Amino acid sequence: QKEVEQDPGPLSVPEGAIVSLNCTYSNSAFQYFMWYRQYSRKGPELLMYTYSSGNKEDGRFTAQVDKSSKYISLFIRDSQPSDSATYLCAMYYGQNFVFGPGTRLSVLP
Amino acid sequence: ETGVTQTPRHLVMGMTNKKSLKCEQHLGHNAMYWYKQSAKKPLELMFVYNFKEQTENNSVPSRFSPECPNSSHLFLHLHTLQPEDSALYLCASSQDPRPGGTDTQYFGPGTRLTVL
Repeated sequence: QKEVEQDPGPLSVPEGAIVSLNCTYSNSAFQYFMWYRQYSRKGPELLMYTYSSGNKEDGRFTAQVDKSSKYISLFIRDSQPSDSATYLCAMYYGQNFVFGPGTRLSVLP
Repeated sequence: ETGVTQTPRHLVMGMTNKKSLKCEQHLGHNAMYWYKQSAKKPLELMFVYNFKEQTENNSVPSRFSPECPNSSHLFLHLHTLQPEDSALYLCASSQDPRPGGTDTQYFGPGTRLTVL
């Protein structure tokens, strides 16, 4: 079983839709959870950072962590064409950073 | 200049060449990382430097040789690479990856490497 699983997509949605991106993981030691956005030909950019279970909201983005289910989500409200990118989940404990393979999202105008 | 910078942005090299990738961080961080990103695969951690000391080497072939002269600069020296080494090489930095820390990584734009 892979340590972090993420549907690679591609996921295509119309502009204005609510997008749900998800990752599952197997190691219950992970405590810190992150979402990165990566545009084509660029490095990943940190979007959201959460600790342990719960929700965190920042503008149109909401990150959700359910440690009991080992499941994390990123919701994007009122999606825009500029949100088209690959979204990487990542998680961390100690010096162990692990990334998911990324979900490619296209928001169509 | 702010954030994490990498040079060159693109590199094409033959299998017998020797080249180096450079990373510089302007964030005052103490830890730096090299990652390899291949198409449709997760980021692969290659090396970790914490306070200039190498703390992680994830079974990376010896044809990749890192160097960290100070906490702001990181190099990846390349020698006799293979075509399967073609990928995006990303540098990242973080404040402090010690266990129990609340650390996150900030990435550079990457070097797109093609090995012919």
